[in-house]
Amino acid sequence: RKEVEQDPGPFNVPEGATVAFNCTYSNSASQSFFWYRQDCRKEPKLLMSVYSSGNEDGRFTAQLNRASQYISLLIRDSKLSDSATYLCAVGRAYGQNFVFGPGTRLSVLP
Amino acid sequence: DTGVSQNPRHKITKRGQNVTFRCDPISEHNRLYWYRQTLGQGPEFLTYFQNEAQLEKSRLLSDRFSAERPKGSFSTLEIQRTEQGDSAMYLCASSLVLAESSYEQYFGPGTRLTVT
Repeated sequence: RKEVEQDPGPFNVPEGATVAFNCTYSNSASQSFFWYRQDCRKEPKLLMSVYSSGNEDGRFTAQLNRASQYISLLIRDSKLSDSATYLCAVGRAYGQNFVFGPGTRLSVLP
Repeated sequence: DTGVSQNPRHKITKRGQNVTFRCDPISEHNRLYWYRQTLGQGPEFLTYFQNEAQLEKSRLLSDRFSAERPKGSFSTLEIQRTEQGDSAMYLCASSLVLAESSYEQYFGPGTRLTVT
């Protein structure tokens, strides 16, 4: 079993839809959690950190469930420009490397 | 531009040749990470530095790979005797890690290596 798993998709949704992605991790000692967005042939760009209390940034909401060992990302009112691959990243300890999931591809259709 | 920079952006080399990549992190960041990414996969960790000290190396980092960060600023990643399986995007990231707090890693644009 991989340390961080994601549904690779693709998720094809119409503009304006709400879409949610989950990411599961196997190491219960993991300390830090992030969502990155990656456009085709570009570098990952930090989307948001994920806190135990959950956090929201505009149309994006991230949540952490330590008991079930998953993080989620909710995108409301999808835009065409949200089309990308969404990577979850899990840090085993503060300052150490991240373990990334394989990414979930999202296509927002007109 | 004060982000992470990497050079070259693209490198095509023949099998058996040596290649070296450079990464310049965000200036005040003390940690620098190297990852490798192949198509359809997330980035895979290779190694990271705290200032000039190399603190961890992945099992992916065979003895053909070496990384340095001599003055705690820029870093180089060298691959000796390249193989076709080394073809990938090599990503560098940096972060500012202070005590035990959540931190973010910021990525450079990557160096795309093609071994023919």
